[in-house]
Amino acid sequence: EDQVTQSPEALRLQEGESSSLNCSYTVSGLRGLFWYRQDPGKGPEFLFTLYSAGEEKEKERLKATLTKKESFLHITAPKPEDSATYLCAGGDSNYQLIWGAGTKLIIKP
Amino acid sequence: GAVVSQHPSRVICKSGTSVKIECRSLDFQATTMFWYRQFPKQSLMLMATSNEGSKATYEQGVEKDKFLINHASLTLSTLTVTSAHPEDSSFYICSARGGAGTDTQYFGPGTRLTVL
Repeated sequence: EDQVTQSPEALRLQEGESSSLNCSYTVSGLRGLFWYRQDPGKGPEFLFTLYSAGEEKEKERLKATLTKKESFLHITAPKPEDSATYLCAGGDSNYQLIWGAGTKLIIKP
Repeated sequence: GAVVSQHPSRVICKSGTSVKIECRSLDFQATTMFWYRQFPKQSLMLMATSNEGSKATYEQGVEKDKFLINHASLTLSTLTVTSAHPEDSSFYICSARGGAGTDTQYFGPGTRLTVL
């Protein structure tokens, strides 16, 4: 059965304290590993799509990486405005998304 | 680019009434649109997938007669919650995906439905 698992459930960091979020996946015929950011009461905002192991993408303080079993979202020197829930999803062979439960990131000033 | 809008952002209705939510792709043609429901502190639950001009495909457990989906054009899909009840209160989010070879779904801002 296709599955995506995110860890940790919640992560509290001080401003400037770098860390990583984990997304483990088992999705047969994976068509992309997607990262989104969701703020409370809003729809998810697209961040990255990764297609093959070894691929990396960056956007401001965020960098996403992909292996054959996991994806990591690295956040470097985060700021309070980076606080949000980060969602990971695997695209299956029907182009539907298998969602993880999300990691709630809180950055304290 | 890739902007998706939803209207209304919030709606409060009485039990037994019907509510329509619109989802529009503003700057691209969406061959496929998706409707999700999200409960507090939970991830997204796919309700249905619709392709322009075709009937929607509903996920197991989603009542097609209660949640009517129409995808009449490449930029507009609507979700109508018929005979709404308090248990239908939720956060509804649509997403849109472009044509063949486009994998990324772009999401609308969501609609908060409260049924009294």
